[in-house]
Amino acid sequence: AQSVTQLDSHVSVSEGTPVLLRCNYSSSYSPSLFWYVQHPNKGLQLLLKYTSAATLVKGINGFEAEFKKSETSFHLTKPSAHMSDAAEYFCVVSEKMFSGGYNKLIFGAGTRLAVHP
Amino acid sequence: GAVVSQHPSRVICKSGTSVKIECRSLDFQATTMFWYRQFPKQSLMLMATSNEGSKATYEQGVEKDKFLINHASLTLSTLTVTSAHPEDSSFYICSATPTRTGNEQFFGPGTRLTVL
Repeated sequence: AQSVTQLDSHVSVSEGTPVLLRCNYSSSYSPSLFWYVQHPNKGLQLLLKYTSAATLVKGINGFEAEFKKSETSFHLTKPSAHMSDAAEYFCVVSEKMFSGGYNKLIFGAGTRLAVHP
Repeated sequence: GAVVSQHPSRVICKSGTSVKIECRSLDFQATTMFWYRQFPKQSLMLMATSNEGSKATYEQGVEKDKFLINHASLTLSTLTVTSAHPEDSSFYICSATPTRTGNEQFFGPGTRLTVL
């Protein structure tokens, strides 16, 4: 079974400094991986996704993530944090449900990013 | 494109009543929709997978008779919380998968249910 582990429940950075949100995955085959962001009381927005193409994936709002198979990691980074980046971030792995033909998403526990002035 | 809506965004009800939440894919067809539950400061937990025209598939530990799911068309799925109790209070989020890809899910804005 697939799983994801987000290594930090909370990350706090100053505005303008780099952001690193860590994620490790467990998968028995080549996974599809996603990062979603959730602002308070809102739904989820897709930041980026990895689906076995380029290992460095660029997303929206300046975020990017690198798929490292040897480390089973998919860490999310951004060179310079903005106040509007403060939110909850979820690392997600997709599991193929062969019986139904659809993909089931397995969510990490989430990392709350705080950005200070 | 790929917009999913939910209605209502917020609902407060008395204990013992039933509440229906709608999930619509506005600009694409979705043979599969998903229902998630999120407790405060926690991650999303998949409750059930809804396929158009067939019975929903529930995750282990989710009561089928408590959470009724109907996926009547390619653009609409409903979740009915029957005989709601305070412990059912939560944030319910739906998502939908476009039929042509099936790989990415698009999420609705969520529904906050409070049971008094």
